[in-house]
Amino acid sequence: AQSVTQLDSHVSVSEGTPVLLRCNYSSSYSPSLFWYVQHPNKGLQLLLKYTSAATLVKGINGFEAEFKKSETSFHLTKPSAHMSDAAEYFCVVRGYNFNKFYFGSGTKLNVKP
Amino acid sequence: DADVTQTPRNRITKTGKRIMLECSQTKGHDRMYWYRQDPGLGLRLIYYSFDVKDINKGEISDGYSVSRQAQAKFSLSLESAIPNQTALYFCATSDLGTSGGAGADTQYFGPGTRLTVL
Repeated sequence: AQSVTQLDSHVSVSEGTPVLLRCNYSSSYSPSLFWYVQHPNKGLQLLLKYTSAATLVKGINGFEAEFKKSETSFHLTKPSAHMSDAAEYFCVVRGYNFNKFYFGSGTKLNVKP
Repeated sequence: DADVTQTPRNRITKTGKRIMLECSQTKGHDRMYWYRQDPGLGLRLIYYSFDVKDINKGEISDGYSVSRQAQAKFSLSLESAIPNQTALYFCATSDLGTSGGAGADTQYFGPGTRLTVL
């Protein structure tokens, strides 16, 4: 079975400081993993995805995530937060046989000026 | 133009009413999904369809039904709406990964429909 746990429901950082959003997954096989962002009153936009190639994945807007199999983690990072990064972020694992996607409960990122 | 569109964007209805949410896509994807989003719960899968003749229940299908009218259209119906169906509803599409079942599909989401059941 597949599942995703986002360890923080809310994260608050100051503009210009690093961002870390944590995600742990459970999967019985080598998973495909995604991060999506949802800005207020908007749909979900893909930030990046891991597809069993490079373990360090670079996405849009300066975000990146590192797949660590030994830790079953796929944490999202950004070196320097921008006010426009304030949004909700979802970690997602893809099911293997049925092509379903399993969403974490989301992490709301607040960026303080 | 948006690749995945949803109508209506907002809807307020009363308990017991039938309501339909529509989704259209121009991405040419075979796979379509309906999710609902509730605060603190992420997105939960209601129904999904891998082609016009294929409909599958997700984890929370009770109280909902769907229709895949064409490759590009996937509708969600609430036959008799109840207040706990108040939520944000998203339609999504996905393509097939380059390596088939082991490939990594990417989902593309519509803008969402905010439904309120009074």
